[in-house]
Amino acid sequence: NAGVTQTPKFQVLKTGQSMTLQCAQDMNHEYMSWYRQDPGMGLRLIHYSVGAGITDQGEVPNGYNVSRSTTEDFPLRLLSAAPSQTSVYFCASSYSFPPGQGNEKLFFGSGTQLSVL
Amino acid sequence: AQSVTQPDIHITVSEGASLELRCNYSYGATPYLFWYVQSPGQGLQLLLKYFSGDTLVQGIKGFEAEFKRSQSSFNLRKPSVHWSDAAEYFCAVTGGGNKLTFGTGTQLKVEL
Repeated sequence: NAGVTQTPKFQVLKTGQSMTLQCAQDMNHEYMSWYRQDPGMGLRLIHYSVGAGITDQGEVPNGYNVSRSTTEDFPLRLLSAAPSQTSVYFCASSYSFPPGQGNEKLFFGSGTQLSVL
Repeated sequence: AQSVTQPDIHITVSEGASLELRCNYSYGATPYLFWYVQSPGQGLQLLLKYFSGDTLVQGIKGFEAEFKRSQSSFNLRKPSVHWSDAAEYFCAVTGGGNKLTFGTGTQLKVEL
């Protein structure tokens, strides 16, 4: 089925470990983004991309890196995990931004639950 | 900078009762406004959106929202709530600058 695929669904890390959260979409969307969701804080934008080779920072970019070498993939890298990065991470994509012209909308993945011990 | 306030963290309603979830935004010009719903363990699903035109917008699952510029509000309503509507609801705003800002969410509980 077409959509946004996030892997893994669950991950436990030790402080200082590195890992990459994967996000892939097969809808030829130009816009992709990463959010983290924490209780009482809603969703906060980490990084976003408006096309291959173009990335920019959101509200909470510190501790995270991204790259966009293809239209389909937008991985999120934690170089040295910290307990403050324990969260649920969502990837979202849309054909354009802002999503909403006509039938356009922002598609969300099902999330990655990350725990950093 | 754009921002969204959802003043109600939790709301409980009886099944069949009407519902209104509040959303206030801050943005200098006319914003693009959205309501999303999140069921437990799931991603977010778009309920409805406002871009321009008619200030009363209809969405999926019987929801509607009204944009009131004078009050900087975009409240979500449903005339009769169903038990399956229990979820977390997020209001979001963008001015078109590639960033979508979410509120902190309202958790809806439906009593049978």
